Amino acid sequence: AQKVTQAQTEISVVEKEDVTLDCVYETRDTTYYLFWYKQPPSGELVFLIRRNSFDEQNEISGRYSWNFQKSTSSFNFTITASQVVDSAVYFCALGTGSARQLTFGSGTQLTVLP
Amino acid sequence: GAVVSQHPSRVICKSGTSVKIECRSLDFQATTMFWYRQFPKKSLMLMATSNEGSKATYEQGVEKDKFLINHASLTLSTLTVTSAHPEDSSFYICSARDLGSSGANVLTFGAGSRLTVL
Repeated sequence: AQKVTQAQTEISVVEKEDVTLDCVYETRDTTYYLFWYKQPPSGELVFLIRRNSFDEQNEISGRYSWNFQKSTSSFNFTITASQVVDSAVYFCALGTGSARQLTFGSGTQLTVLP
Repeated sequence: GAVVSQHPSRVICKSGTSVKIECRSLDFQATTMFWYRQFPKKSLMLMATSNEGSKATYEQGVEKDKFLINHASLTLSTLTVTSAHPEDSSFYICSARDLGSSGANVLTFGAGSRLTVL
């Protein structure tokens, strides 16, 4: 069975602070995909990143960076110099095989205060 | 990029009526679409997998007679909540995967449909 744990339910930071959102996953599959999605108040899920299980390279995209560590089954997401517009719920998700379905974590509500 | 459209975005109905939600892939064909349900401040729970031209596959605990899914074409899947009750009030989100794109393993989500049953 697949499981995704996002232990942080809510996080509040002040603008320009860095913030890291944690994600721990469980799967018995050797091939899997990890995702991060952003859900702003409007409700739409916005794709941020996909990472394959065989690619442990960390990635940076602007203010966003992701740290994938198979040894600890973690796929953490860091926002550098946070902005008010980053306020949203962030979901980590796990897809296995052909990633036809996703198992979502419970989400982390990030609030960036001005 | 791939776009998935959901309609309506918001719907309010009376208890006992049926409500249909549409999910369309606008610029790609989707043989498979997924329907999720999200309760307030909760995660997304997969309800069912919609397969074009065949029956949907429902997750355990989801009533197939309650939540009718029809995948009539390669670009349209519909979810009908039958005889709706207040406990069916929720945010329903569909998703699809564009197999023709380089990001073939990335699901694109619709904007969601918020159902309120009075």
